[in-house]
Amino acid sequence: DAGVTQSPTHLIKTRGQHVTLRCSPISGHKSVSWYQQVLGQGPQFIFQYYEKEERGRGNFPDRFSARQFPNYSSELNVNALLLGDSALYLCASIPGGGSGETQYFGPGTRLLVL
Amino acid sequence: AQSVTQLGSHVSVSEGALVLLRCNYSSSVPPYLFWYVQYPNQGLQLLLKYTSAATLVKGINGFEAEFKKSETSFHLTKPSAHMSDAAEYFCAVSDRMAGGFKTIFGAGTRLFVKA
Repeated sequence: DAGVTQSPTHLIKTRGQHVTLRCSPISGHKSVSWYQQVLGQGPQFIFQYYEKEERGRGNFPDRFSARQFPNYSSELNVNALLLGDSALYLCASIPGGGSGETQYFGPGTRLLVL
Repeated sequence: AQSVTQLGSHVSVSEGALVLLRCNYSSSVPPYLFWYVQYPNQGLQLLLKYTSAATLVKGINGFEAEFKKSETSFHLTKPSAHMSDAAEYFCAVSDRMAGGFKTIFGAGTRLFVKA
């Protein structure tokens, strides 16, 4: 089985632009979570989606949005990019919506905002 | 609010020595606890998880962790370090929130293994 895939792997943007990051979960998994990992820190929770509905949101501004499609893939959108948005963005694939379930992480998308 | 504290941002051990990475959590309810490992330029990989079954949890690559409710700790250990264990380790706690769940990660501990 294929693992979690994320695209693109690397991205360079300038301040004020917007970006769309994509994630394909493991086949059969119905939930995805998004995390931001700034260099030298642990991942910070952004969103959780289950069955195409938002089920959780972290402490991030409205510039961050996401959605999940009928095939359970997901997009994370960030508008009006700031220098501080530079980070590794991780997607996690989860079989269901339970808090005790294992999250399977993709390799991440590294975003650099100049 | 739940939180996770990892004591020591860097830990250095000699190859063959005991590995001990410390994690303390705060939670008002029995938590789900996890340890993840991250190798350079990669995503996170689950080492082990505690979900209220046995308090001593065995994971992959010889790692194990013990849940101690009285100490609110979930320290990660490995009897004998190997060079390939050099990586960043994250402790995490998950809790339900309004129909879904939220996972909080610690700041991480970077493990160095000396030959």
